[in-house]
Amino acid sequence: SQQGEEDPQALSIQEGENATMNCSYKTSINNLQWYRQNSGRGLVHLILIRSNEREKHSGRLRVTLDTSKKSSSLLITASRAADTASYFCATKGTNAGKSTFGDGTTLTVKP
Amino acid sequence: GAVVSQHPSWVICKSGTSVKIECRSLDFQATTMFWYRQFPKQSLMLMATSNEGSKATYEQGVEKDKFLINHASLTLSTLTVTSAHPEDSSFYICSAPGLAGGTYEQYFGPGTRLTVT
Repeated sequence: SQQGEEDPQALSIQEGENATMNCSYKTSINNLQWYRQNSGRGLVHLILIRSNEREKHSGRLRVTLDTSKKSSSLLITASRAADTASYFCATKGTNAGKSTFGDGTTLTVKP
Repeated sequence: GAVVSQHPSWVICKSGTSVKIECRSLDFQATTMFWYRQFPKQSLMLMATSNEGSKATYEQGVEKDKFLINHASLTLSTLTVTSAHPEDSSFYICSAPGLAGGTYEQYFGPGTRLTVT
């Protein structure tokens, strides 16, 4: 079974609003990464957060990690129509090990 | 950052034929690479771990005789889908861990879309 679960499964918002997606996982991790995938395309790496970090920012993106709750969140501020995509979290149990993906959140930003 | 390429980016083949997909780490060496499969509107599922110089490790439910993996060098892993069937139609993505700032990031290839007719 997948390591991670994401919620919501689908999110629809208006341009300019903020979007928050959550990811929960089951076992200890080395790091967690968030990816974006446009329909029919490959993965785009967004942010990596290590297990000893609690929050990271990159432009309009903010990621938090709570290892005690085994959860992470991705916040996209001031969303744009171009942010429409599927977003996945992926956890790694060891430094160079495999990534295990969550089920993903499909975000639709309406212009 | 590190780059992983895949070839081909898309392929259409007839049922019963075999298809080979290549995954290359372009500017770093990878003793391990990972192969994922993604069906439409689903997440990525790990199929197998490719190990340079040794046998691949397959996830439960993945047929090793159907999905042949060869990791012949530190920069190349190949996945061969043998006797392909329409249900094998999927998006296949490889990844390789590379060092970045003291930790390993997972670098993904752009994916190969396989359609079996």
